[in-house]
Amino acid sequence: IAGITQAPTSQILAAGRRMTLRCTQDMRHNAMYWYRQDLGLGLRLIHYSNTAGTTGKGEVPDGYSVSRANTDDFPLTLASAVPSQTSVYFCASSDSGFGNEQFFGPGTRLTVL
Amino acid sequence: GQQVMQIPQYQHVQEGEDFTTYCNSSTTLSNIQWYKQRPGGHPVFLIQLVKSGEVKKQKRLTFQFGEAKKNSSLHITATQTTDVGTYFCAGKSGANNLFFGTGTRLTVIP
Repeated sequence: IAGITQAPTSQILAAGRRMTLRCTQDMRHNAMYWYRQDLGLGLRLIHYSNTAGTTGKGEVPDGYSVSRANTDDFPLTLASAVPSQTSVYFCASSDSGFGNEQFFGPGTRLTVL
Repeated sequence: GQQVMQIPQYQHVQEGEDFTTYCNSSTTLSNIQWYKQRPGGHPVFLIQLVKSGEVKKQKRLTFQFGEAKKNSSLHITATQTTDVGTYFCAGKSGANNLFFGTGTRLTVIP
């Protein structure tokens, strides 16, 4: 059982380019989340999905979009990357909503030049 | 808006010394979770506290939730090199949020 996988592991991207970060879980968890982690700021929620077919905005959603077509996958898209989106991105999942233990993926290190 | 403050930001201890990190919320929390992130790794869930005044122990780790459910602490007794990492609290106060503290990075000097 892999848990949560993220791809790519790292990426260097030119500003203005479109990028999709992939996240897949095999635990049949209902809820999934995207966080960004920046030094000194901890983890900040970008978007979440409580169940397949629904999504919601987190603390820092601007410049990002998500979709949840099925239970397992929760891709995060940067439509036009900017340098301030340079960060480490973590996908996470939980059995049902924010009140439960979250399982994190290994992260994607994104650099926007 | 909702904020969860965590202190200290960094802590260096000699192996065998104790360590404590504190979280404070501007609003009452329904629960608080604690996570550990090893250097270069991802956050891993440690525990969740729900009840006012709750205290839970995991071997050398003691977690407390304040009576007002606005603060929490994690105390490690007799630190070991395996305790190295960043410890995050995460507080929940509404249906669809979980606010992480900024973390405390623990260094243990052998």
